Amino acid sequence: AQTVTQSQPEMSVQEAETVTLSCTYDTSENNYYLFWYKQPPSRQMILVIRQEAYKQQNATENRFSVNFQKAAKSFSLKISDSQLGDTAMYFCALRENAGNMLTFGGGTRLMVKP
Amino acid sequence: GAGVSQTPSNKVTEKGKYVELRCDPISGHTALYWYRQSLGQGPEFLIYFQGTGAADDSGLPNDRFFAVRPEGSVSTLKIQRTERGDSAVYLCASSLTASGGSSTDTQYFGPGTRLTVL
Repeated sequence: AQTVTQSQPEMSVQEAETVTLSCTYDTSENNYYLFWYKQPPSRQMILVIRQEAYKQQNATENRFSVNFQKAAKSFSLKISDSQLGDTAMYFCALRENAGNMLTFGGGTRLMVKP
Repeated sequence: GAGVSQTPSNKVTEKGKYVELRCDPISGHTALYWYRQSLGQGPEFLIYFQGTGAADDSGLPNDRFFAVRPEGSVSTLKIQRTERGDSAVYLCASSLTASGGSSTDTQYFGPGTRLTVL
C-alpha cells in the first residue's frame, strides 16, 4: 500500500523569504502522480502543483516549485517570496496510475510572519 | 457551478442518528470522490464514483456508511447510527476524467462538511 509522510508538523518563514516543505512517499508502482495541496482555514483544498513521476523535469507554478527525487522517493515543495496569504496547511498527496484515490500525508502547518 | 459545493457546511447530530451529506460536483465532471479528514490529519479516501456507479468503495470504514450518485452528478454520503468517532470534516472532490495521464484527472475539492456527533 502507498504511504505519504510529512515530517514537519509546523514551519514558519518571514514574509518574502523562501521555505521548503518536505515529503517522502512509498509506492510499488512505477507510474504515479504527486501533488501539493494547500488548505487554508476555509477548509477548501486548493491544488498548488502537480508532478508526473515519468517526467524528470521538476514542476513549477509561479512562486512554487518542487524538487522531485524519484530514486529517493522525495517530493519537496519550495515557496519563494513567501506571502502572508501562503499561511495554511500544506498536504502532499500521491495517486498511483492504476488507482484513482489520493493518499495524503499528515500535513505541514505553514505560518508566514510579517 | 464554478466549483464543488457541499451542504450543509456544518452538521451537529446526536449519537445514533442518521445523517446525509450532499456534494454537487463541477458541471461535466464524471468522477467524484469522498474523503474524511479527522482533526489534525490528512484526508482519507472513502469512495470513488465513475458516473453513477461506485468504482471503488474500499475506504468506507463499515456498513454504516453508504454513498449514492443516482444521476451521475450530485452525490449523497449517508451515515447510519452515527458514533462520536464519525466526527470529522467530510470532503468531496470531482475530476473531469478518472484516468491518469493528463491534468483532466486533477481532483478539485469542495469546502467540506464538518460533522459533529455529540
